[in-house]
Amino acid sequence: DQQVKQNSPSLSVQEGRISILNCDYTNSMFDYFLWYKKYPAEGPTFLISISSIKDKNEDGRFTVFLNKSAKHLSLHIVPSQPGDSAVYFCAASAPSNFGNEKLTFGTGTRLTIIP
Amino acid sequence: DARVTQTPRHKVTEMGQEVTMRCQPILGHNTVFWYRQTMMQGLELLAYFRNRAPLDDSGMPKDRFSAEMPDATLATLKIQPSEPRDSAVYFCASGFLGGRVLGNQPQHFGDGTRLSIL
Repeated sequence: DQQVKQNSPSLSVQEGRISILNCDYTNSMFDYFLWYKKYPAEGPTFLISISSIKDKNEDGRFTVFLNKSAKHLSLHIVPSQPGDSAVYFCAASAPSNFGNEKLTFGTGTRLTIIP
Repeated sequence: DARVTQTPRHKVTEMGQEVTMRCQPILGHNTVFWYRQTMMQGLELLAYFRNRAPLDDSGMPKDRFSAEMPDATLATLKIQPSEPRDSAVYFCASGFLGGRVLGNQPQHFGDGTRLSIL
């Protein structure tokens, strides 16, 4: 069963506007969440993370929001730029003996920024 | 910039053949992960090592897949015999996991091995 779900396979946004990517999870033990960005023929690259003790984390144009009661997180990109066109993966992990090392990924959302 | 290096980048072979994928983690990282990406399942964790010791391989089909870390600079993933359903992109990632005292760093991914089994 998919413990991390990205229900929108694709999203198109006009350049300069806000992009909002969504992610839902089912495992209440997850307490650390990450977003990765992936270009074709490359590996995923880390974008931003959030711990469950926070509800928002911001890094430049990227902000991640976490709603624990709804088991939902979202990534906001403002303003969207053509270089943001990529596949975005949401990932989550639960605490273990060594920390939060075991990531469960969603299936990704392909974001296309329209010039 | 330090990078995770994976070889080969592409591999096409016939079913039944042995396939070996290699990964050089980033120097100083103590944990290595193997993932498989398919259209249907997204990124699935196959196995991972900490300080070269296997910690979890529950995501890996045990009958045909094996993962090893012969030294700190090399991790391998082998499939023998390979089957068409193994066709996917296989990613290696490395990271420093210091646990709750030292903290963890996000995983860094290689660019993957695209495997096609005919």
